[in-house]
Amino acid sequence: GNSVTQMEGPVTLSEEAFLTINCTYTATGYPSLFWYVQYPGEGLQLLLKATKADDKGSNKGFEATYRKETTSFHLEKGSVQVSDSAVYFCALGGSYIPTFGRGTSLIVHP
Amino acid sequence: DGGITQSPKYLFRKEGQNVTLSCEQNLNHDAMYWYRQDPGQGLRLIYYSQIVNDFQKGDIAEGYSVSREKKESFPLTVTSAQKNPTAFYLCASSIDWGSETQYFGPGTRLLVL
Repeated sequence: GNSVTQMEGPVTLSEEAFLTINCTYTATGYPSLFWYVQYPGEGLQLLLKATKADDKGSNKGFEATYRKETTSFHLEKGSVQVSDSAVYFCALGGSYIPTFGRGTSLIVHP
Repeated sequence: DGGITQSPKYLFRKEGQNVTLSCEQNLNHDAMYWYRQDPGQGLRLIYYSQIVNDFQKGDIAEGYSVSREKKESFPLTVTSAQKNPTAFYLCASSIDWGSETQYFGPGTRLLVL
């Protein structure tokens, strides 16, 4: 079956540091790929998405590129803020049954 | 405002009791989903519905049941057969099956007394 693997957290950074959260997937064909963000006690919100190979999704300074050759969709941000502290989920979907990674907690200190 | 509502925010279940979690959307979406979230486990799919009057089991359907009699509503019943129901339950919807984005409700936290 399909699966999504993302790096375990928590990831702890100082404000303005560079962020990378790794995500790889297993699926046949070409799923759409997503990053969702969850703030404490809330549901998930879409952060960014990419629907085909080599597409780059971006939003609020976050970026991720759909790499078919490495089956990856790593999340990056050049300078994190305290307000970015949350749990980040990588997921695959589109016409596939939705599959989520386990989530990576990000803690940003002032 | 369009969106997804879940109620209640907190729900307490006694041993042997069935409880029903509500999920309503006014986005005119065809597809709806139920997920269970446990610490360190991410989201696991319980049931999904591609269209009204139709639904399929997800990865962890045992001990749960759903109905989809109306387009805007997708209630989840946690039955007494679910032996470990304590979790955060999230409902989501998308425009249709295969749509790019899911929209999530705020969640219901179920606790066992």
